[in-house]
Amino acid sequence: DAKTTQPPSMDCAEGRAANLPCNHSTISGNEYVYWYRQIHSQGPQYIIHGLKNNETNEMASLIITEDRKSSTLILPHATLRDTAVYYCIVRGNDISNFGNEKLTFGTGTRLTIIP
Amino acid sequence: DAGVTQSPTHLIKTRGQQVTLRCSPKSGHDTVSWYQQALGQGPQFIFQYYEEEERQRGNFPDRFSGHQFPNYSSELNVNALLLGDSALYLCASSLDRTGLSGNTIYFGEGSWLTVV
Repeated sequence: DAKTTQPPSMDCAEGRAANLPCNHSTISGNEYVYWYRQIHSQGPQYIIHGLKNNETNEMASLIITEDRKSSTLILPHATLRDTAVYYCIVRGNDISNFGNEKLTFGTGTRLTIIP
Repeated sequence: DAGVTQSPTHLIKTRGQQVTLRCSPKSGHDTVSWYQQALGQGPQFIFQYYEEEERQRGNFPDRFSGHQFPNYSSELNVNALLLGDSALYLCASSLDRTGLSGNTIYFGEGSWLTVV
């Protein structure tokens, strides 16, 4: 699986947009970028995923660079409830398991929303 | 629509004992995976079950075993517990998409296991 690099921690003021970067310079052509977050002592929560186009849902936006070597997760109006560890994951491309690959988590970015 | 449910939420076991954790997948999902999350670390993949068979396995010893039932629910069994097995055990469910683009995986709230 392609590895990802994320800053260990970030702060963001409440009400502002939180922009979380992720580098994945070794990503393969058909590997997806997934984002999950984990609020303390809870299970990881799916946020969004994408291949090459920008994606948006009710939770966040995902911006993937044209060369696909990096991406940014955007929480448009951060609230205190967005304080969590955010994981950027590049989904593996094992042909034998294509479509059902496991998730390989790193250490993520600890995002703290400041009142 | 119920999400992924796990039981028990917390339990304490003694070294050498055996433990069974249970998981019901999200409605409509047929694939169940288990992850172990030690304190301060990201979740680590243990194994995945589909059609009552283990389909993928991570780097975990044979003391970790699982089962999937016809209704897609699953159990994780750990034998001969070690202190290092203390962790949050997460169940994740998804819909099989073999040959298609990646599916979305949903996690339960986990079972906290403490081995003393």
